[in-house]
Amino acid sequence: SSVLTQPPSVSVAPGQTARITCGGDNSGSKSVHWYQHKPGQAPVLVVYENNDRPSGIPARFSGSNYGNTATLTISRVEAGDEADYYCQVWERSSEHGEFGGGTKLTVL
Amino acid sequence: VQLVQSGAEVKKPGASVKVSCQASGYTFYTYYIHWVRQAPGHGLEWMAMINPSGGSASYAPKFQGRVAMTRDTSTSTVYMELSSLRVHDTAVYYCARVDCSTATCWSDYWGQGTLVTVSS
Repeated sequence: SSVLTQPPSVSVAPGQTARITCGGDNSGSKSVHWYQHKPGQAPVLVVYENNDRPSGIPARFSGSNYGNTATLTISRVEAGDEADYYCQVWERSSEHGEFGGGTKLTVL
Repeated sequence: VQLVQSGAEVKKPGASVKVSCQASGYTFYTYYIHWVRQAPGHGLEWMAMINPSGGSASYAPKFQGRVAMTRDTSTSTVYMELSSLRVHDTAVYYCARVDCSTATCWSDYWGQGTLVTVSS
């Protein structure tokens, strides 16, 4: 089981705001990255280093990381945002990656 | 940037599988490569990482001793070999390019995935 805890599912109506959390004992001291994963496709990086967006990712996707909880916020949710979302941290000392358990975003 | 993986494999329990990941569009040895898998009905699982420059690798404890990563710099290809396959190794295996700051690393480009099915 993952040390990063995500809710199994989040549901929102189109146009509303979705918030997906990622909690852990020390996630606040590590930068958190977020991936969108749709069935049959490769994962896509949507936020890195807590709140930076790769080129091509809409500004509707944003991130924050305070205390022991990181949050991915998707504003003005669209049907195309329906996917599984995973948080990830990097253990520099051991050079290991760690993913959260994933959250299924359903657009109602 | 492109990462192109080898095709689907079907293996019997106890066998080994070797999946390739050919990189293009950037200088191969300047970025590490991760391997991540997703078993049916499960989430993403980090497996291992290789430094294409020197060939050094690190492995998740769960896979230590059962996975080996190698690279061929002449073809910009990384290989992941998983041995002693079990039925629950059935999964889609992804390679991903790793970008890093001073404190952390993330995967910015991913291969298309390779389905490995382990079945008797």
